[in-house]
Amino acid sequence: EDQVTQSPEALRLQEGESSSLNCSYTVSGLRGLFWYRQDPGKGPEFLFTLYSAGEEKEKERLKATLTKKESFLHITAPKPEDSATYLCAVQAGYGGATNKLIFGTGTLLAVQP
Amino acid sequence: DTGVSQNPRHKITKRGQNVTFRCDPISEHNRLYWYRQTLGQGPEFLTYFQNEAQLEKSRLLSDRFSAERPKGSFSTLEIQRTEQGDSAMYLCASTLSGSGYEQYFGPGTRLTVT
Repeated sequence: EDQVTQSPEALRLQEGESSSLNCSYTVSGLRGLFWYRQDPGKGPEFLFTLYSAGEEKEKERLKATLTKKESFLHITAPKPEDSATYLCAVQAGYGGATNKLIFGTGTLLAVQP
Repeated sequence: DTGVSQNPRHKITKRGQNVTFRCDPISEHNRLYWYRQTLGQGPEFLTYFQNEAQLEKSRLLSDRFSAERPKGSFSTLEIQRTEQGDSAMYLCASTLSGSGYEQYFGPGTRLTVT
C-alpha cells in the first residue's frame, strides 16, 4: 500500500536556526512528490514538485531534495512567518492509473523570534 | 487567475441534515479533486473529475456522499444524512492535465455537524 510518513510531527526553532523536515515514502511507481505549506484554517499552498531522485528545488529560504526513498525540506535561517504546517504528498501509479495525492500527516513548524 | 474558490467557507448543520458545497476551479483547469481533512491529519482523497466525467472515487467514500461537475466547470459535493463523523474541512483542488501534476487547493469548507 502506498504510504507517506513525515517527521518530526512538530518542530520548534529559533529565528535563524536552520533545520530539515523529512518525508519518507513507499509507493508503487512515483510520478511526483509534492511539498505544500498550510496555515491554520486555510487550504494547502503549493511549494514544490520533485519528479526523480537527485532533483532539487529552491524557493527563498526553502530547499527540497529527493532520493529514492525520502525527501527533505531544508529551511535555512527561518523567520517567524515560516511558521506553518508543511505537508508532503506523493502521486503514484504507472500509466496514469491514479491522479490522487497521498498525503502525510505533516510537520508543524513554529519559529520563535 | 483568481485561484480556486469554495463556498460556503463554514457550515454548521444538525445531524441528519443534507449539505452541499460548491467549488469553482481555476479557469481552464480540466481536472478537479475533492479531499477531506480532519484535525492533525493530511488531506484524504475523496473523488476526482476530468472535465465532467467522475473518473475515480475513494473506497472510503460513503454512499451518502455524491459529487457532480455537470458542465466541466464548477463542482458540487453533497452529503446526505450528515453524521458527526462528517465534521471536517472539505478541500477542493484543480489542475490542468499535461501541465505537470501539482494540484492547487482552495480555502476549504469547514463543516461542523452538531
